[in-house]
Amino acid sequence: SQTIHQWPATLVQPVGSPLSLECTVEGTSNPNLYWYRQAAGRGLQLLFYSVGIGQISSEVPQNLSASRPQDRQFILSSKKLLLSDSGFYLCAWIRMNTEAFFGQGTRLTVV
Amino acid sequence: GENVEQHPSTLSVQEGDSAVIKCTYSDSASNYFPWYKQELGKRPQLIIDIRSNVGEKKDQRIAVTLNKTAKHFSLHITETQPEDSAVYFCAAVSSAGGADGLTFGKGTHLIIQP
Repeated sequence: SQTIHQWPATLVQPVGSPLSLECTVEGTSNPNLYWYRQAAGRGLQLLFYSVGIGQISSEVPQNLSASRPQDRQFILSSKKLLLSDSGFYLCAWIRMNTEAFFGQGTRLTVV
Repeated sequence: GENVEQHPSTLSVQEGDSAVIKCTYSDSASNYFPWYKQELGKRPQLIIDIRSNVGEKKDQRIAVTLNKTAKHFSLHITETQPEDSAVYFCAAVSSAGGADGLTFGKGTHLIIQP
């Protein structure tokens, strides 16, 4: 069966520090992977998606970047965090443009 | 691209009553409409979905209806229980291609009053 792992679960980082969130998928190959951000416990904003190794599409201009170094690995990064980067980050695998499977989420607080 | 509107943003109902959440979508090529439930601090999880070739689908106390002509779909929860309290998201996927995944509504915070 397919499984998606995301870590860490919580993170408190100072303004200006770097960020690296990791997401890995098991049980499938060549998955479409996504990073969403959820502010104030509400809407899901699509940040990045990737259809394959080295292929990244960005939905919104932002302080973040993403990378796909391996088929089942998707990383969200920042060189210097801003206060506005605080939020709940979710990695997702979306199967054939149908059901989405989400990682456990990362609660990021920038202080 | 697709645009999904969801209403209401907050819904409070008495335990045992029914709850209805409504969504509209803009892309007539959309053909898959899932609903997700997100409990506080947890990941969204799929609770029911519907494809454009059917008008209604039921799973115990939960049902979803789809009106393709009007481009809207709704989630119905009957005999609500305290554990139904959560944020619910609708979403739409276009069959027009592209890999930009699901377009989500902004969510409805459902509160079940005891």
